[in-house]
Amino acid sequence: AQSVTQLGSHVSVSEGALVLLRCNYSSSVPPYLFWYVQYPNQGLQLLLKYTSAATLVKGINGFEAEFKKSETSFHLTKPSAHMSDAAEYFCAVSEPRGYNKLIFGAGTRLAVHP
Amino acid sequence: DTEVTQTPKHLVMGMTNKKSLKCEQHMGHRAMYWYKQKAKKPPELMFVYSYEKLSINESVPSRFSPECPNSSLLNLHLHALQPEDSALYLCASSQEGQGAYNEQFFGPGTRLTVL
Repeated sequence: AQSVTQLGSHVSVSEGALVLLRCNYSSSVPPYLFWYVQYPNQGLQLLLKYTSAATLVKGINGFEAEFKKSETSFHLTKPSAHMSDAAEYFCAVSEPRGYNKLIFGAGTRLAVHP
Repeated sequence: DTEVTQTPKHLVMGMTNKKSLKCEQHMGHRAMYWYKQKAKKPPELMFVYSYEKLSINESVPSRFSPECPNSSLLNLHLHALQPEDSALYLCASSQEGQGAYNEQFFGPGTRLTVL
């Protein structure tokens, strides 16, 4: 069965610092991987996705993630945090075959302080 | 139009009430989803519709009844809910629901409170 583990339920960074949010997955087949962001009282917005093309994926708002099969990881990074990046971030996995079910990680709340 | 809309934004209901949540998309997507999200938790899949047919029911209690009248519209009918059903209900859509990869687009959600 697929699963997603996000290390660190809370991450706090200074404005301008590197953002690193960790995601590890478990899947019997190469999965599709996603990062979503959720601002308070809003729905989820897709940041980026990996679908077995390039292993380094660039997304919106300056975020990127690298798929590392050997480490079963898909960590999200941003070189310089902005106050507006404060939100909840979810990593999700989907199997290429079968129905398009998303399995979400528990989420990481990112706080950005001045 | 790349938007999924949900109405109402907020809903307060008693345990004996009947109410409905509505979701709409005009992106030509053929798969639509209902998720339930409790505070500080990830979304949990409830139902998947693919080509207007119910494809997945994640063992959801019968007090939740989904309906897909057409490819653009998805309803969730609520009856005899419990206070623990209070949550954010999210709707999503994707181009297809099976086989090939498709990203899901989420609506803003309906905040449901059951008294």
